[in-house]
Formats: sequence, structure tokens, C-alpha cells
Amino acid sequence: QKEVEQNSGPLSVPEGAIASLNCTYSDRGSQSFFWYRQYSGKSPELIMSIYSNGDKEDGRFTAQLNKASQYVSLLIRDSQPSDSATYLCAVGDTGANSKLTFGKGITLSVRP
Amino acid sequence: DTGVSQNPRHKITKRGQNVTFRCDPISEHNRLYWYRQTLGQGPEFLTYFQNEAQLEKSRLLSDRFSAERPKGSFSTLEIQRTEQGDSAMYLCASSPAGREQFFGPGTRLTVL
Repeated sequence: QKEVEQNSGPLSVPEGAIASLNCTYSDRGSQSFFWYRQYSGKSPELIMSIYSNGDKEDGRFTAQLNKASQYVSLLIRDSQPSDSATYLCAVGDTGANSKLTFGKGITLSVRP
Repeated sequence: DTGVSQNPRHKITKRGQNVTFRCDPISEHNRLYWYRQTLGQGPEFLTYFQNEAQLEKSRLLSDRFSAERPKGSFSTLEIQRTEQGDSAMYLCASSPAGREQFFGPGTRLTVL
């Protein structure tokens, strides 16, 4: 059973701070990793994908991948109240189907 | 193109009734996925199509569930003899082969 674990939340940060969200996965052969943002009552929205070790930056978001440690993280710089949401880590299947296995998510609250 | 669409957005039904949901993927995406999400959990994979072929079904998909994707365009997910445990958000996602998956708004099912 492939597992994706996200550290327990909720996470609360002040506006303007850096929010750090972490995720570990069990399948060492995994090759694709994703972060989705989900507002309450809405569907997941893709915010970052990462396929290679290292950092990938997109605006205020940075995804970090360490395959040796089976660890992927998301940093949100200059956090805004509009960033308050649940963040889901997802890992793509190593088979041809590329189905995603999700963590339970971590709820981020950005305090004005 | 405005992304993945799903209908209906909400469905309330009585236990034992049949329900059908529709998903229209992004037009150039040949892969279509169905997931189910319950409160406090990440989405769980149900089934996957590449073009019109249903290539994988989760063990979560009991024989009361059936999915189709005629002509490789829209897809339908039918649940027969609904049970209260079927209450969830049903999410559809589409992707080009092996890449990022984009979710529709979901169909929220409530079984009374």
C-alpha cells in the first residue's frame, strides 16, 4: 500500500511569513510529485509539480524534492490571508496510469 | 476551453436510488480519472481511462459502480443502489499522457 504522509496541522502563520509544508512518501520509485491547494468546499487546484531533485520556484511558491529521503516540501513566501486553505501533497504512480496518491492534507491559516 | 466540467454539482438522493454523474475533460487531454473525497481525507483514486479504454479500477470501486467514456470524450460514473457510505465528493480530473492532472469542480453526493 503506497502511502503519502503530511505532517499534522493545522499550521498557522502571520501574514508575510514563510509557510513550510512537508510530505513524505513510501514508494522509493516514485517520479512525479504535486502540490494542490483546496479551499473549503472546492476542488483541488494544482499549484506546483516537481519531477527532479532540488528546488522549483514559481512566484511565491517553491517546491523542494529529495528522492533519497523520500521527502517533498512546499514553501510559501510572503504568506497572504488568501493562501489560507488545505494543501494536498500527491505522488504519481510509477505505472503507466500515473494515478495520484494523496496525503490527507494540511490546513494552513494565515493571520492578518 | 474553460477546463474540466462536472454535472451535476450537487446531488441529493435516497438510499437505494441510482445516480449518474458526468465529466467533460479538457478537450485535448486523453486521460481521464475519477477520484472520491470524503471529509478530512485526500482524494482516493477510483478509475482511469485512456481515450475510451478503462484501464484500471480501484478496489474501492464495488460492482455497484460503473464508469464509461464513450468515444474518448466525456465520461459518466454511475452508482447503483446507493448507500449512505457513498456520500462524498466525486472528482474528475484530466491530463495529457503522464503529466499534471487538472480537476473539475466535483459533484457532491448526499445519500439520505
